[in-house]
Amino acid sequence: EPEVTQTPSHQVTQMGQEVILRCVPISNHLYFYWYRQILGQKVEFLVSFYNNEISEKSEIFDDQFSVERPDGSNFTLKIRSTKLEDSAMYFCASSQGAAKNIQYFGAGTRLSVL
Amino acid sequence: AQSVTQPDIHITVSEGASLELRCNYSYGATPYLFWYVQSPGQGLQLLLKYFSGDTLVQGIKGFEAEFKRSQSSFNLRKPSVHWSDAAEYFCAVGGIQGAQKLVFGQGTRLTINP
Repeated sequence: EPEVTQTPSHQVTQMGQEVILRCVPISNHLYFYWYRQILGQKVEFLVSFYNNEISEKSEIFDDQFSVERPDGSNFTLKIRSTKLEDSAMYFCASSQGAAKNIQYFGAGTRLSVL
Repeated sequence: AQSVTQPDIHITVSEGASLELRCNYSYGATPYLFWYVQSPGQGLQLLLKYFSGDTLVQGIKGFEAEFKRSQSSFNLRKPSVHWSDAAEYFCAVGGIQGAQKLVFGQGTRLTINP
């Protein structure tokens, strides 16, 4: 069964460093998403991406965050200058269509900012 | 404010017992409704979804959920749980005003006693 793949599974970084989280969505999907879950809190939407541009973003997704689809298979989330509060589990998801479509999630990348 | 509430943070049931996990949402119109499950080290796996039509929906692994408009609820049920059902369960809503994002509840952690 096709699946969303995320790498690495765990990333440790120093505060102020840039990190790139990587995702390979399901191959025939057109919509891509990032969510995050701070320990003990809800899974929160960050951003959705379609047709090579951001289609929605939350208040969390400020100028420190960016997304990119650098080639036909990868979808990345970059955090320019990490803060302690960026420590969380980051989930990538993809779907074939928009609102009335199932989003398929990866296993997540746990980001630890020291 | 729009929200999804899972009142039970942690539930423990005995193997073979029945299960009901509660989910309530607060939106003006009927959103799209989902239940996801997360086993340790795994991504979020879709159990079932409701878009429209029959208010009792069947999912994978013997789970079902019932949409009750009058109560703004979408509770998840299983008649007889198995030890492998131990996991974190998330209720989510989507399609709010045409938006793509999913809004998640806090999650309910299910422990199974042998």
